[in-house]
Amino acid sequence: NAGVTQTPKFQVLKTGQSMTLQCAQDMNHEYMSWYRQDPGMGLRLIHYSVGAGITDQGEVPNGYNVSRSTTEDFPLRLLSAAPSQTSVYFCASSSQGATNEKLFFGSGTQLSVL
Amino acid sequence: EDQVTQSPEALRLQEGESSSLNCSYTVSGLRGLFWYRQDPGKGPEFLFTLYSAGEEKEKERLKATLTKKESFLHITAPKPEDSATYLCAVSEAGYQKVTFGTGTKLQVIP
Repeated sequence: NAGVTQTPKFQVLKTGQSMTLQCAQDMNHEYMSWYRQDPGMGLRLIHYSVGAGITDQGEVPNGYNVSRSTTEDFPLRLLSAAPSQTSVYFCASSSQGATNEKLFFGSGTQLSVL
Repeated sequence: EDQVTQSPEALRLQEGESSSLNCSYTVSGLRGLFWYRQDPGKGPEFLFTLYSAGEEKEKERLKATLTKKESFLHITAPKPEDSATYLCAVSEAGYQKVTFGTGTKLQVIP
């Protein structure tokens, strides 16, 4: 019963470094998404995917790239990290899209950019 | 633009003291309103989905209700284990996204 698995749990980067946050789900969900959570701002959608090979931008996509080559995996790439990207990142999935289905969340990745 | 406003930001209750959390929303065509619970250091965990005004759902000490402009999460005789941040979210018909509020941090004191 793994559900949604995110790695790593913690990461510290220097400004300008790149990295990939991993997200995998074992529920055969078509919909996957990435959120960031900042104090006082709630969860904000970065990118989402409605199926393999299909991705789209959310509310705060700048500085992030995604791809979806398989149903199970949805990695989030930071090409050149900035201090403004310090946040907690959550991956979420659902079986039939976001509009009327509950989201299953991973346990999060806490990222600090120095 | 969808907006979700939750109040209060924080709530401190004595064990057994019932209360309600508020979620007001602005959306063109509501598809669903969601309540989630989030414990420190963890991802949100789904509680309820409400689809239309007048709908109510219950789970143990929690009851969620929905009107055309707001939702309430009623907590009856809370216990310390109910302490968490409660998040409200809405989805709009035709859009593959969910908009979250900033949450209400609930603390239940023994």
